[in-house]
Amino acid sequence: AQKVTQAQTEISVVEKEDVTLDCVYETRDTTYYLFWYKQPPSGELVFLIRRNSFDEQNEISGRYSWNFQKSTSSFNFTITASQVVDSAVYFCALSEGNYGGATNKLIFGTGTLLAVQP
Amino acid sequence: DTGVSQDPRHKITKRGQNVTFRCDPISEHNRLYWYRQTLGQGPEFLTYFQNEAQLEKSRLLSDRFSAERPKGSFSTLEIQRTEQGDSAMYLCASSRSGTGELFFGEGSRLTVL
Repeated sequence: AQKVTQAQTEISVVEKEDVTLDCVYETRDTTYYLFWYKQPPSGELVFLIRRNSFDEQNEISGRYSWNFQKSTSSFNFTITASQVVDSAVYFCALSEGNYGGATNKLIFGTGTLLAVQP
Repeated sequence: DTGVSQDPRHKITKRGQNVTFRCDPISEHNRLYWYRQTLGQGPEFLTYFQNEAQLEKSRLLSDRFSAERPKGSFSTLEIQRTEQGDSAMYLCASSRSGTGELFFGEGSRLTVL
């Protein structure tokens, strides 16, 4: 069965602190894709990153970085020097298969609400 | 704005009424998805289309739900005989085959009284 677990329901930090959002996934497929989406108060889900199961290199994009570890089935997301505008719900998601045959059906976790205080 | 648009943004209806939501995807995207999101939960997959063909439906999609994408462009999601449990945000997303990146609309919030 496919499953995504985000154990942290809510996190509150003060601006400029670093924060890590945890994501643990379960899948039987050897080929799969992991995603992070941001959902600000406006409600629209914003794509942040996609990772395939064959690429375990960590990725950095500005203040965002992602740590993918297949050994622990985790795909954690770190925001460095957080800002008030980072306040949102963040979702981790899993999609099985390859793009050619996959449905792109995403299995989402329950999300982590990040509140960045000024 | 060339993103995914959904209409209406909010709908309040009485139990037993029918409602219809519309989604206009990004024009060059051939895949279109419907998800449902309830408070405090992540989005749940309902169904998806490749062009005009509906290729997969979740078991969450009861017989009261029907989705169409008649010309492979916009899509509609109809809920018949609404129940209070149908109250949720209905999200539409689109993508190009092979990219894996879904672009979501702002959603249509349904409240069933």
